[in-house]
Amino acid sequence: SYELTQSPSVSVSPGQTARITCSGDALPKKYVYWYQQKSGQAPILVIYEDIKRPSGIPERFSGSSSGTVATLTVSGAQVEDEADYYCYSTDDSDNHGGVFGGGTKLTVL
Amino acid sequence: EVQLVESGGGVVQPGRSLRLSCVASGFSFDDHAMYWVRQAPGKGPEWVSSVDWNGWSIAYAGSVKGRFTISRDNAKNSLYLQMNSLRIEDTALYYCAKGLGRAYDASGFDYWGQGTLVTVSS
Repeated sequence: SYELTQSPSVSVSPGQTARITCSGDALPKKYVYWYQQKSGQAPILVIYEDIKRPSGIPERFSGSSSGTVATLTVSGAQVEDEADYYCYSTDDSDNHGGVFGGGTKLTVL
Repeated sequence: EVQLVESGGGVVQPGRSLRLSCVASGFSFDDHAMYWVRQAPGKGPEWVSSVDWNGWSIAYAGSVKGRFTISRDNAKNSLYLQMNSLRIEDTALYYCAKGLGRAYDASGFDYWGQGTLVTVSS
């Protein structure tokens, strides 16, 4: 079955840039979506269709994708950005099933 | 304001059934694909099922295919998940999510509800 791979954790100091990657064989053909989940809360969308930012999401969040790797960048990370981040995409089969990455814990301290 | 309110969760024995509902408001329900996503305690989210705007195209995760059925009633702005032959590993918080477009085949979701908890235990 199709998998998206994320590194388990990223740690930065406040004001530094955090980069979270997501790799998958179908990413050259499929969009990636990034979700932020803080403890005890439902996830929220922070990046969609690889690079687009929903209204209300701070400009310090940006996305990019090249080949089989998509990247979520948090430029000038703030303490409030500390959360779990999950990438999501669809597989390349006729089922068009969804798949999440395993998640990356971003620590800002 | 987009709102998604799930209901129907509870404690159920293995092998039994449960039906989840999600009532949507704040957007044109019949213009969007809808999804069910679950999250087991302490784990990441897991995609469960997708349905396109008119209910004609549907997809399931392999772990639930043949046991779960997704459906929608656009007249009632409602999404459903019929869960049969429940297993202990189905224990999770079940979220309803709104799709970004009419089709799910190359798209994701932008809003999630707060979830309804399903516990499968003997």
